[in-house]
Parts: sequence; C-alpha cells; structure tokens
Amino acid sequence: TQLLEQSPQFLSIQEGENLTVYCNSSSVFSSLQWYRQEPGEGPVLLVTVVTGGEVKKLKRLTFQFGDARKDSSLHITAAQPGDTGLYLCAGAPLDSNYQLIWGAGTKLIIKP
Amino acid sequence: KAGVTQTPRYLIKTRGQQVTLSCSPISGHRSVSWYQQTPGQGLQFLFEYFSETQRNKGNFPGRFSGRQFSNSRSEMNVSTLELGDSALYLCASSPGLAGGGVGQETQYFGPGTRLLVL
Repeated sequence: TQLLEQSPQFLSIQEGENLTVYCNSSSVFSSLQWYRQEPGEGPVLLVTVVTGGEVKKLKRLTFQFGDARKDSSLHITAAQPGDTGLYLCAGAPLDSNYQLIWGAGTKLIIKP
Repeated sequence: KAGVTQTPRYLIKTRGQQVTLSCSPISGHRSVSWYQQTPGQGLQFLFEYFSETQRNKGNFPGRFSGRQFSNSRSEMNVSTLELGDSALYLCASSPGLAGGGVGQETQYFGPGTRLLVL
C-alpha cells in the first residue's frame, strides 16, 4: 500500500514566522501536487512538481520535490493570516495515472 | 466558466438508508473523480469516471457505487448507510485528455456534500 505521510498534522504560528510542511513516502511518484483547502470548500491546486530536485515558487510559498521523487516540502516565508487552511499533498503513482495518493493534511493556523 | 457544483451541500440520513449525491463538472471536462474526506484521514479515493466508464476504483465496499451520464454529470450512491459513512464527499473534474490522467491534469474540486449519518 502506497502512503504519503504529512507532518506536522497541525501547526499554529504567529504572523511573520516561517514554516515548513513535509510530505514523505517510501514510494516513487511521477508527480506530486500540493493543494490548499479552506473551510466549506474543496481543495484548490497550488502547484505540481514533476522533476526530481525541482523547486517551484509561488509568491511566499516554495515547493520542493525530492531528488528521488519520494518526498516533498512546502516552505512558507513570513506567514500571513490568509495562509490559514488545510494543506494537502497528493502523489501520482508510477503504475497508475488515474488515482492520486493523498496525505492526511496539515492544518495551518496563522495568528495575527 | 462555472465551477464544479455538488448537490446537495448538506445531508442528514439515518443508518440503513441510502443516499445519492450529484456532481456537475466544469463544462467540457470528461473525467470525474469522487473522494471521501474525514478528519485525520485525508482524501480517500472512491472512483473515477471518464466518458461514462469507471476507469479506476478505490478500496471501498460495494455499497458505494457511481455512474456518469453522457453529459459528464456524475452521481454516487451509498446504500445501507453506516455511522462511519459520515464524511465530506468531494467531486473533482478534469479535462480527461486522451492518454492523460489525474496525475497529469489539474483537478478542480467542488465544495463537497457533507453527509451526517445518525
């Protein structure tokens, strides 16, 4: 069974601080996606990383795909209250392109 | 373009009943996936439909079923509801380009149907 483990499960920090969320697996993925979900809404795709070692930046968010394509991280610089939400990672297995493997999510609260 | 819509948004049922949830994908999208989301469990994949055919299925009992219509709208049905079926059910659509899949395309999620089983 392929699993994606996210850590931490919950994070509450002050506005302006930096944070990193991790997504780890023992399996190799052809791509990995990061989503943010706000209460009462479905997840919204933030980024897809495909190449091992790839780094993508989205304003204050930096996403990195591990060299072996088994893990990924999301780093937020100078967090703001608007970053509050549930962050989910999802990997596309090598042997199936029709089903994503999802992490359990990191609930992030940024306090003003 | 209108986004993915799901109806109803909230539903309360009792054990043993059945329920049907509906999903209208973004216009032009041919792939629809269904997920169950519970706190601490993340999203659990139920099934994916493309052009009225179930292309992939997750590890859920046969009480969970779905279908897709010719206009790409999809429904999922849960029969003989159990307390553990209480969850947020999410639908996601993607273009479903030939040879593609959810790993290669952006999925657009609806707001979900929150089901409470008493």
